[in-house]
Amino acid sequence: DTAVSQTPKYLVTQMGNDKSIKCEQNLGHDTMYWYKQDSKKFLKIMFSYNNKELIINETVPNRFSPKSPDKAHLNLHINSLELGDSAVYFCASSPGQLNTEAFFGQGTRLTVV
Amino acid sequence: AQSVTQLGSHVSVSEGALVLLRCNYSSSVPPYLFWYVQYPNQGLQLLLKYTSAATLVKGINGFEAEFKKSETSFHLTKPSAHMSDAAEYFCAVMSTGNQFYFGTGTSLTVIP
Repeated sequence: DTAVSQTPKYLVTQMGNDKSIKCEQNLGHDTMYWYKQDSKKFLKIMFSYNNKELIINETVPNRFSPKSPDKAHLNLHINSLELGDSAVYFCASSPGQLNTEAFFGQGTRLTVV
Repeated sequence: AQSVTQLGSHVSVSEGALVLLRCNYSSSVPPYLFWYVQYPNQGLQLLLKYTSAATLVKGINGFEAEFKKSETSFHLTKPSAHMSDAAEYFCAVMSTGNQFYFGTGTSLTVIP
């Protein structure tokens, strides 16, 4: 079983559309994250959730909204997609303790045309 | 805020040569440090982590890193590079808010 799984793996869509990326973890972790990786490979944290509560929002546009129906899921909704949203989006989870690592999904490559 | 700096966005080594990837952190308190590897079109995989139990940390695939508080460094090394080591490497720090902050990454090329 994949520990952190994201769907879809690839997403091509037109500007102005609304899309969602799903993420599920079967590790029983308390904290989940969304990261954006740009074309230069830079990883920027977008959101993190701890026990279904948003604990940080790193100045991302409000077109991006995380939704967590339960502790195992953290979905990313994006409204009114723009060209600059094209990137690879990674979901991750961690137990939420200081000496524990994050586990990453395989990424979703979003291309906005 | 805690952050990490990776010196050298691209490193090239010959197969069999020493690999040295640099990471410096900024913090007044010993942080929790990690090295991750990203192979093409894949997610990030943990190589090793520092958790204050030992300054020399051994990871997977023959990699190790040494925590040096006096230099605020956590450089990644491997004695002998293999072709399969070609990938993107990220140093990361975990802050007290359980947030992971990543360096800008170092792309490792291994020359046959």
